[in-house]
Amino acid sequence: DQQVKQNSPSLSVQEGRISILNCDYTNSMFDYFLWYKKYPAEGPTFLISISSIKDKNEDGRFTVFLNKSAKHLSLHIVPSQPGDSAVYFCAAYAGGTSYGKLTFGQGTILTVHP
Amino acid sequence: EAGVTQFPSHSVIEKGQTVTLRCDPISGHDNLYWYRRVMGKEIKFLLHFVKESKQDESGMPNNRFLAERTGGTYSTLKVQPAELEDSGVYFCASSQLAGGRNRYEQYFGPGTRLTVT
Repeated sequence: DQQVKQNSPSLSVQEGRISILNCDYTNSMFDYFLWYKKYPAEGPTFLISISSIKDKNEDGRFTVFLNKSAKHLSLHIVPSQPGDSAVYFCAAYAGGTSYGKLTFGQGTILTVHP
Repeated sequence: EAGVTQFPSHSVIEKGQTVTLRCDPISGHDNLYWYRRVMGKEIKFLLHFVKESKQDESGMPNNRFLAERTGGTYSTLKVQPAELEDSGVYFCASSQLAGGRNRYEQYFGPGTRLTVT
């Protein structure tokens, strides 16, 4: 039973355009969400996060939106750059702790074309 | 500051053999996690140490997997005997108990790619 789902295995975008990556979850106990970025042969690196008490968090070109009623979050990258090409993972914490396990989605491969 | 390191980067073993993976967390990080990614699927949690104690081992697949963290520093994950379905990339991550730029952030190592033939 997969509690975090990223239904788009891949996304292709032109440089300068917006990239929108989506994530759905089923566990109502999730209260903190993170996006990680992963290049080949490297570990995931933290990108941006959002608490369940907020609906938006912005950091430079990256914005994460959370719709709690729909159990859906999205990552917007604008403008997209070729260096953004990577696998993006959505992840979630449950239960109000700040150091428990992360539950990940399957990842979405983003390709940004010059 | 050195990041999370893992050794080896790649291991190829035969079914039935034993393999030991090592993780060195970021200095001062009390939390240490093991995760696994199989065949391009999701990254799955295996277990969580706080210092030398196992906080949560709910993700460990079976008793062929043994994790240790002696002295609360580095950790090892032993697979004995290895099976074909154990193939995948094993990630280690660490985090602080409190404080930091983002107290929820886990810092990941580059992973160990395990291939069981």
